[in-house]
Amino acid sequence: GESVGLHLPTLSVQEGDNSIINCAYSNSASDYFIWYKQESGKGPQFIIDIRSNMDKRQGQRVTVLLNKTVKHLSLQIAATQPGDSAVYFCAEGVAWDMRFGAGTRLTVKP
Amino acid sequence: DSGVTQTPKHLITATGQRVTLRCSPRSGDLSVYWYQQSLDQGLQFLIQYYNGEERAKGNILERFSAQQFPDLHSELNLSSLELGDSALYFCASSPRDDRSSPLHFGNGTRLTVT
Repeated sequence: GESVGLHLPTLSVQEGDNSIINCAYSNSASDYFIWYKQESGKGPQFIIDIRSNMDKRQGQRVTVLLNKTVKHLSLQIAATQPGDSAVYFCAEGVAWDMRFGAGTRLTVKP
Repeated sequence: DSGVTQTPKHLITATGQRVTLRCSPRSGDLSVYWYQQSLDQGLQFLIQYYNGEERAKGNILERFSAQQFPDLHSELNLSSLELGDSALYFCASSPRDDRSSPLHFGNGTRLTVT
């Protein structure tokens, strides 16, 4: 069946380095993609989204890249900070059917 | 702060019991979504309400039910609880009933069934 998944369950980076978190999806009909950040004890927090008519979108220190050909989504975090340590989820979907990946835990080393 | 409020924060109960989880959406949001998050299942969509009416159903068990009230707050009722129902339950809200905007999540209710 359709699935959303992440290449790496954990990612450890040095403070100040750039982080890249990847996500694969299999539903070619998906037209809306979102990255969420979840800190311990909190709900998922919206980071950035992108629609299928775009392949790149930038926010503050974050960039989302969408490659529809290979059904791949990535989140790039520039100059990673300790406060970026969290679990990051990608979500993809069509209309109400928004599916979440399992999450990648990002740890930032000082 | 997402603006979505969930109560209680923690809930511990025994198997066979019934509990009610409460959610107040962000001001102005008409849609409420319920998700279950467990270690082995990730975030699973349960059900969506829009302006008081059920809009979409996901992997919601028959033992679970929800409703959205005229003031737009929502309740998720879980009955005949089983150990496997232990999980984090999140409510999220959005302005409309489509997915044209991201969801805003509350901080969840942690349910422990013993």
